[in-house]
Amino acid sequence: NAGVTQTPKFRILKIGQSMTLQCTQDMNHNYMYWYRQDPGMGLKLIYYSVGAGITDKGEVPNGYNVSRSTTEDFPLRLELAAPSQTSVYFCASSHGGTDTQYFGPGTRLTVL
Amino acid sequence: AQSVTQPDIHITVSEGASLELRCNYSYGATPYLFWYVQSPGQGLQLLLKYFSGDTLVQGIKGFEAEFKRSQSSFNLRKPSVHWSDAAEYFCAVGALTGTASKLTFGTGTRLQVTL
Repeated sequence: NAGVTQTPKFRILKIGQSMTLQCTQDMNHNYMYWYRQDPGMGLKLIYYSVGAGITDKGEVPNGYNVSRSTTEDFPLRLELAAPSQTSVYFCASSHGGTDTQYFGPGTRLTVL
Repeated sequence: AQSVTQPDIHITVSEGASLELRCNYSYGATPYLFWYVQSPGQGLQLLLKYFSGDTLVQGIKGFEAEFKRSQSSFNLRKPSVHWSDAAEYFCAVGALTGTASKLTFGTGTRLQVTL
């Protein structure tokens, strides 16, 4: 039982490039979340999903897109990378809406 | 909208000493409250959570927190700190939106433990 896994661990992008951050959970959780963590700040919610095919915006969705075609996977897409998207990105999942959220180890992204 | 304040950015305690990390929240209804711990280079791990009922909540690793509605606080405590407790601690408040719980995190308190 690996829990929540994220790939890659680190990535450097040039301005304007695109990439997909992968997130997979093997706990059969319905709810999945993407957060970003900027230095000295708490985590901010980007997008979340309450089940396959259902996604919704969080607090800071601009510049990102998500999809949820399966229960296990919740990829986060950056279409036109900007320096403001330099951050550490965490994926999380939970069984129910108010249940404990389990976090992955994070992806550290730098946009230059 | 809900918010969380962690007034202490950095705290240093000696091993074996007691610990209290402060957390104040703002939320219009009864909050769901959480404490998470983040070790360097790691994701967040849940220490404890409060949804309802007993206002003194026990968590993992010997941590506890007390919900005080009158003070809008949810402070984290540990009677005797171990060197392995050095990490960053985040308080969060959860708000139900539809069926999902959106967490709002504080900015964190970094705990340093001296031997």
